Amino acid sequence: EVQLVQSGAEVKKPGESLKISCKGSGYSFTSYWIGWVRQMPGKGLEWMGIIYPGDSDTRYSPSFQGQVTISADKSISTAYLQWSSLKASDTAMYYCASAVDYAGAFDIWGQGTMVTVSS
Amino acid sequence: QSALTQPASVSGSPGQSITISCTGTSSDVGGYNYVSWYQQYPGKAPKLMIYDVSNRPSGVSNRFSGSKSGNTASLTISGLQAEDEADYYCSSYTTSSTLVFGGGTKLTVL
Repeated sequence: EVQLVQSGAEVKKPGESLKISCKGSGYSFTSYWIGWVRQMPGKGLEWMGIIYPGDSDTRYSPSFQGQVTISADKSISTAYLQWSSLKASDTAMYYCASAVDYAGAFDIWGQGTMVTVSS
Repeated sequence: QSALTQPASVSGSPGQSITISCTGTSSDVGGYNYVSWYQQYPGKAPKLMIYDVSNRPSGVSNRFSGSKSGNTASLTISGLQAEDEADYYCSSYTTSSTLVFGGGTKLTVL
């Protein structure tokens, strides 16, 4: 079964760092793009960026460039989204999703990781 | 990058057809045939319903169809059913080599 499994919910304080993960299985992880999507509480979907694990080619939304880092470790079929200094406004559900190409649709989604940032 | 414009809500009765619009610009919706539609139930991950404007993934009901005219894409759901009540989002590739989502539309089945 093709699936993306994300790491569990996180509760952090402002200023702390965080790295959440997304592990792919059931398909060739290096042949598909992995994107990250933010959904703030009660709000819509926002495209953050995307990575091709095969060669680590990464693209970011201008809204998230410099705010987060997307990476991948193809040896363990895992993509990551990380923050160096969290803010309360980073509180949201974060989804990873796979796509055949960087311009195309996300056909497989992870279950989501809820990140709560509160003092 | 501004979000694509969708109506906040639409509604319809069982058996009817509804259409959700998604308006962008020539730099996104109008410039590429990379428009997708997603269905999301509360507390669940989105599900791909339409890709490349009008293609349905395997397993998606043929009651769902997509189209595009100029800078506006549309999702039509025919034979509306109670289970279709959900939030729907469009997305498009852009000239900035990024993707952008619409603001989302809440579909209510009356």
